[in-house]
Amino acid sequence: RKEVEQDPGPFNVPEGATVAFNCTYSNSASQSFFWYRQDCRKEPKLLMSVYSSGNEDGRFTAQLNRASQYISLLIRDSKLSDSATYLCVVNGSSANSNSGYALNFGKGTSLLVTP
Amino acid sequence: IAGITQAPTSQILAAGRRMTLRCTQDMRHNAMYWYRQDLGLGLRLIHYSNTAGTTGKGEVPDGYSVSRANTDDFPLTLASAVPSQTSVYFCASSDSTPAPQYFGPGTRLTVL
Repeated sequence: RKEVEQDPGPFNVPEGATVAFNCTYSNSASQSFFWYRQDCRKEPKLLMSVYSSGNEDGRFTAQLNRASQYISLLIRDSKLSDSATYLCVVNGSSANSNSGYALNFGKGTSLLVTP
Repeated sequence: IAGITQAPTSQILAAGRRMTLRCTQDMRHNAMYWYRQDLGLGLRLIHYSNTAGTTGKGEVPDGYSVSRANTDDFPLTLASAVPSQTSVYFCASSDSTPAPQYFGPGTRLTVL
């Protein structure tokens, strides 16, 4: 099983729609969770961290379900500028492992918001 | 504040040539990383460094080497480039704890 799995999409939604992405992770010891956004031919950029109690940043809401080992990202009132690939990111093993302060990146979910 | 810079932005390289990709950060982050990103494969960790003076191998280290002489710089060297190393290379940095990583703009490398 891959460390982090995401539906690659693409998700095609009209402007103003609400869209949700889910992501599952395999390491039950993971403690840190993030969503990144990557625009075409650009570097990944941190969108938001995901906290145990869930958190919101404007139109974006992130949720964590430790029991089921999944993370979700909800985007409300989608804008054209939300079109991008969204990467689910989970910390890997501890710093004593052979991967440093490793983060495991999902392959991303592609979102296209249309007029 | 520049964050992380990478050079060159892009490069076309003949197979067999040696190439060093440069990465510099001004955030005083202890940890730095090199990834390659290929279509359909996502981001794959090549090498990392938890702190100046130490380095480690990631998921796909073969054919690459790194050094970390100081906090700010983390160059990646391809000793003898091969076409399978054609990719987009991203450098990233983070604080010591499992913290968000911040990425440079990337280097597009084509090996012919």
